[in-house]
Amino acid sequence: DTEVTQTPKHLVMGMTNKKSLKCEQHMGHRAMYWYKQKAKKPPELMFVYSYEKLSINESVPSRFSPECPNSSLLNLHLHALQPEDSALYLCASSQVTSGLYEQYFGPGTRLTVT
Amino acid sequence: ELKVEQNPLFLSMQEGKNYTIYCNYSTTSDRLYWYRQDPGKSLESLFVLLSNGAVKQEGRLMASLDTKARLSTLHITAAVHDLSATYFCAVFGNEKLTFGTGTRLTIIP
Repeated sequence: DTEVTQTPKHLVMGMTNKKSLKCEQHMGHRAMYWYKQKAKKPPELMFVYSYEKLSINESVPSRFSPECPNSSLLNLHLHALQPEDSALYLCASSQVTSGLYEQYFGPGTRLTVT
Repeated sequence: ELKVEQNPLFLSMQEGKNYTIYCNYSTTSDRLYWYRQDPGKSLESLFVLLSNGAVKQEGRLMASLDTKARLSTLHITAAVHDLSATYFCAVFGNEKLTFGTGTRLTIIP
C-alpha cells in the first residue's frame, strides 16, 4: 500500500476562521512533508517532519502551524489566512529524509481563502 | 541555493512523435526524481534516478541522469494522447527536494 490520504479534499474558509488539514500514511514512513502549490507552479516545500520532529521550516508564516501527533499523522493548522494562501496543499511521505527514497504524495487539499 | 530548470516549459507535439524534456540543476546531486501531474490532481512518481548514468524506462518514457553535466532527460517515444500532463523533475539537495519549473505537455491527435 503506497497511499497517502488527505482530508478534506476541498476547503473554503474566511480570513478569521481556524481550520486544520489532515494527512495520514500507513507505510511505516518516518518522514512527512507539507508542500504548497499555486496554479501552474511547482510545489514549494513548507515543512519537513523526521521521526515526528520538525526538521525543516521554510520560513513559513506563523498562520500555518504544523503538528505531527504520531508517525502516521500530520496536521496543518490554519488561522487568519490571507487570500494569497489559496492553493493546493500537498502532503507527502518517504521512508526517511535522505533523498534515497521517493516521496509519495497525497491527493491534496484545495484551499480557498475568502 | 539549488536551482532546477526545465525546458521547454510548454510542449505541444503530435501523436507518434518523439521528444525530450531537459532538466538542469545548479549544484551537485545524484538523487533526481521525475513526477507527472494531471490537471487538478496530485503528483505521481515516475522515476527515481540515484547514480550517474542511471537510465530507467517505463512504457514510452525513458529517463536518464548525468550528474557530471547536472542534467537529466525525460524522453518520450511515439507519444500518445494519454501522456498529456505536466512533468516535473525534482532534485534532492540541502536535505530537501527542489522541483523544476515543470513542462506542460500536450499531445495532439
